[in-house]
Amino acid sequence: GQQLNQSPQSMFIQEGEDVSMNCTSSSIFNTWLWYKQDPGEGPVLLIALYKAGELTSNGRLTAQFGITRKDSFLNISASIPSDVGIYFCAGQSPKMGSNYKLTFGKGTLLTVNP
Amino acid sequence: EADIYQTPRYLVIGTGKKITLECSQTMGHDKMYWYQQDPGMELHLIHYSYGVNSTEKGDLSSESTVSRIRTEHFPLTLESARPSHTSQYLCASKTSGEQETQYFGPGTRLLVL
Repeated sequence: GQQLNQSPQSMFIQEGEDVSMNCTSSSIFNTWLWYKQDPGEGPVLLIALYKAGELTSNGRLTAQFGITRKDSFLNISASIPSDVGIYFCAGQSPKMGSNYKLTFGKGTLLTVNP
Repeated sequence: EADIYQTPRYLVIGTGKKITLECSQTMGHDKMYWYQQDPGMELHLIHYSYGVNSTEKGDLSSESTVSRIRTEHFPLTLESARPSHTSQYLCASKTSGEQETQYFGPGTRLLVL
């Protein structure tokens, strides 16, 4: 099946720093979704991207749908302690038969040092 | 914010017991999913449904079963719980159309003793 490579696997940063993480795939997607998950909770949707080249912001978060449709990145500016958590990317393939299932990255664990 | 609910949030149970994890959504979504996730690890799809009376097994083999008798309800059942079933179970539902978005419930943390 399809796989998403999400990097980095983990990050340890100082409060106030900017953060960038990305996901790449060997095949194209028509949707990219970014989630944040706190311990013991379900993933919460941060940003949804539906068009190649699309750049979308949500507060201090910015995500882009790569023009090749095989990658996406998420940036967090001026990080704060509550940004701590695991960030997942997910892609939706346009292929028939896989239309109903998302492919998830393995997550990026973000730690913010106050 | 997504209206998708899971109960119980936490469950501690003995080996051999039958359990049902509840999931419901009030958004009228046809597509629903169950994922299994160990702490800090990746999400594994174990079941999904396209709509009422439709269920499919996911990418990760699971001894659990699901049913979809009503659009809003997608319960997961373990007939005989074992310690190897200890995990977090996440339910999700997805919008339909060109711009599909998937929302997750808060999860059920299961501990089988």
